Amino acid sequence: SAVISQKPSRDICQRGTSLTIQCQVDSQVTMMFWYRQQPGQSLTLIATANQGSEATYESGFVIDKFPISRPNLTFSTLTVSNMSPEDSSIYLCSVGGPLGRGQATDTQYFGPGTRLTVL
Amino acid sequence: GQQLNQSPQSMFIQEGEDVSMNCTSSSIFNTWLWYKQDPGEGPVLLIALYKAGELTSNGRLTAQFGITRKDSFLNISASIPSDVGIYFCAGRGGNKLVFGAGTILRVKS
Repeated sequence: SAVISQKPSRDICQRGTSLTIQCQVDSQVTMMFWYRQQPGQSLTLIATANQGSEATYESGFVIDKFPISRPNLTFSTLTVSNMSPEDSSIYLCSVGGPLGRGQATDTQYFGPGTRLTVL
Repeated sequence: GQQLNQSPQSMFIQEGEDVSMNCTSSSIFNTWLWYKQDPGEGPVLLIALYKAGELTSNGRLTAQFGITRKDSFLNISASIPSDVGIYFCAGRGGNKLVFGAGTILRVKS
């Protein structure tokens, strides 16, 4: 399976500021995703990060609030903009595997997450 | 949209006991995945199921992909303290995963 790292692992931020989370994979992958996990909850897909084009956002998530970059097949960033306490969550990067073929039968792996607290 | 019903919501069992949890859906999925999440960590993939009826084991874990493609179960045999955590099922119907709400497993040693 791919090795996925995220930076920062955690942060405490003031409301109104923005935070950019980085996701690095040790091999090229076709599919990269960003999820949010609110305290005590399950995982919710924010968007699919598309290499070389705009991310595909799920219902309830917009680009102005969660801009995403994916400059190549091993790296992506998620920015949480104009933060409020409601944005306090774990943000998880995920990749499709095992070879990142983007096929419907692919498994999916997760990074360690970024724990964000907004005061 | 697609939804998964995962049960039980939580379990508190004696060490050495077998554990069973399951997920059901009104939608058909092509893949079922089971994950475990420890506190402060990301979900770790335990078992992946690709075919209806498939039964797969990983050590003390066994999972099955339901014949109707709308359900899956995970069994843990002879539970140990390190089995504590949250277990999530996830179904894939396209390129996206849909997650269950999770089963919190607490083991009493």
